[in-house]
Amino acid sequence: DTTVKQNPRYKLARVGKPVNLICSQTMNHDTMYWYQKKPNQAPKLLLFYYDKILNREADTFEKFQSSRPNNSFCSLYIGSAGLEYSAMYLCASSIGTASAETLYFGSGTRLTVL
Amino acid sequence: GEQVEQLPSILRVQEGSSASINCSYEDSASNYFPWYKQEPGENPKLIIDIRSNMERKQIQELIVLLDKKAKRFSLHITDTQPGDSAMYFCAAIDTNAYKVIFGKGTHLHVLP
Repeated sequence: DTTVKQNPRYKLARVGKPVNLICSQTMNHDTMYWYQKKPNQAPKLLLFYYDKILNREADTFEKFQSSRPNNSFCSLYIGSAGLEYSAMYLCASSIGTASAETLYFGSGTRLTVL
Repeated sequence: GEQVEQLPSILRVQEGSSASINCSYEDSASNYFPWYKQEPGENPKLIIDIRSNMERKQIQELIVLLDKKAKRFSLHITDTQPGDSAMYFCAAIDTNAYKVIFGKGTHLHVLP
């Protein structure tokens, strides 16, 4: 099974409220990523876990949190959603440290903040 | 910061003709260049890639070219079919780093 599963598919949130997005994979991949995709923009890496080590991008460091309680599961947490968080959030996984490895993407969660 | 420019953003071609998507990158350390295809409602999937020790790679109707001096790479789809209609993303990667830098995507429409 080479699928990455994301839940929910669509998410509505109110400004100022927290948001938690979920991703899982059963391929035993070492690395799991979260990307943010807005229309007419390239997918932007927010953070990734290599095994248990979390790496967050400098420009989104304070906006997003994540947890990975086990190899299969990774969440993306927004403490206080703003309108600018409306986007598609793509989870991906790969064997190893990723840069040279195939990324397996989930179908994404479309977050709309109102 | 590092960028990958991808053009065109929208491409319309007649069925049976060829389609070309061009990408350029800034980081000379980039040495791996994958292409992902995202069909409507689906997740992006790797369709072809090329490493910096190659100039050309072909898988069936997909051809990728890499010009390291010019820091450009391209995807060519020969004999396009309706099933080729999708969003295509290029990416440039320094395999000694962790970052995958994507282009903005090209929306390919294959017209019957």
